[in-house]
This record gives sequence, C-alpha cells and structure tokens, in this order.
Amino acid sequence: ETGVTQTPRHLVMGMTNKKSLKCEQHLGHNAMYWYKQSAKKPLELMFVYNFKEQTENNSVPSRFSPECPNSSHLFLHLHTLQPEDSALYLCASSQRSGSNNEQFFGPGTRLTVL
Amino acid sequence: QKEVEQNSGPLSVPEGAIASLNCTYSDRGSQSFFWYRQYSGKSPELIMSIYSNGDKEDGRFTAQLNKASQYVSLLIRDSQPSDSATYLCAVHPPSGGSYIPTFGRGTSLIVHP
Repeated sequence: ETGVTQTPRHLVMGMTNKKSLKCEQHLGHNAMYWYKQSAKKPLELMFVYNFKEQTENNSVPSRFSPECPNSSHLFLHLHTLQPEDSALYLCASSQRSGSNNEQFFGPGTRLTVL
Repeated sequence: QKEVEQNSGPLSVPEGAIASLNCTYSDRGSQSFFWYRQYSGKSPELIMSIYSNGDKEDGRFTAQLNKASQYVSLLIRDSQPSDSATYLCAVHPPSGGSYIPTFGRGTSLIVHP
C-alpha cells in the first residue's frame, strides 16, 4: 500500500460508453498525476495537477477529461474512447517541492476498450 | 528537451550475480534521482532515491550517482528471480523549476535460476 488508491482496478467499456476513473491519495501531497502505460511502452504523462490547478496537459485527446476537486482526489472522465486507448492508467502523487518529491503510484486501472 | 536514457534490455543475469542497471540524463542541473521497480502488470514502486554524488546502499541495492558524468546506476547484489522486473529511472529537475520528473523507458531485468 502506497497511500494512493485507484478505482476501479479493471474496466471494460465500449467505444460509446462514458466512465470515470477515480484516484485518492492519503499522503498529504499537493501534486497529482495521470499516466498512461500501453503494453511494453514507457510511461506517458497525461495530466498534472498542483493544488487542484491543472499545470500540464501533454496533448491528450479531449475524450480524456481530468477533474481535481481537491488536493486528495483526482478523476479521469472517459468518453467515446478508441481501442488504442486500452492501457494501464496510473495515478501518482507527490509533494510539489523540496527534495523528497518522489512520486507514489496507485495500483492502476487496467482499461480495455472494445 | 529533458531526456533520460536507459537500455531497454532485457538484461539477463544468473541468480546470485550482481545486476547493474544504468541511466543517463541530459539536464545537468537535475537534483533528485529515483529508481522504481515495476513488475509486469503492476504499478511502479519506489526502491531507491539518491541526491548527492557517490553511493547509497540499502540492503542488496546500491544507487550510484555521478553528476559530472550525468549518470546514475542501480546495482542489485545477490540477484534473485523475484528481482525480475522492469526498472525505471526518474530524474527530477533543479529546485525552483518544474517539479515534474522525467522517466526513462525502463530496463527489463531477468534473473534466471
């Protein structure tokens, strides 16, 4: 247990569905991240939030919509996804500054788009 | 463009041997360096952090940092089959700048009995 939880752990959805991924951190961190990891590929940073404000959007398609209502919760809303969006979606949190700013990852959501 | 380079492997070592994993980075002012282990289908898990030049030991793991050469490595002594995983190097930028790390592609390690 890293102090970062994600739900659901597995999700299968059709291309016309709308679903949401949830992330919660219990570490008192002030930065939260969404990453995508496709099979045998490196981590791809999608979004970064610092104190609820989005600070990075790495050219992610609009079918992915993040939401950060407070510094402990992060959502990723999904709609009209494509099969190539099937991947492991990882949430992470960290302190924004200081030397101990390592990231702690949640267990991930394994997403399959049919 | 900040870059973190790792040999993707796989690196194959026999059980009991020393596994040496290497990482180079382009941002000379980088301050913090982390090694993560990722088992297949699982999320990355932090195993080592290093901030100053030299060696840092934690059990069977030793991280080595050489800022002049922009090089960080991870040594695993007495490798076990359970060490078989992908090892990710993460480099954090200088203090006062972006707090977002850059990850390498990872090196796949296989420890065979």
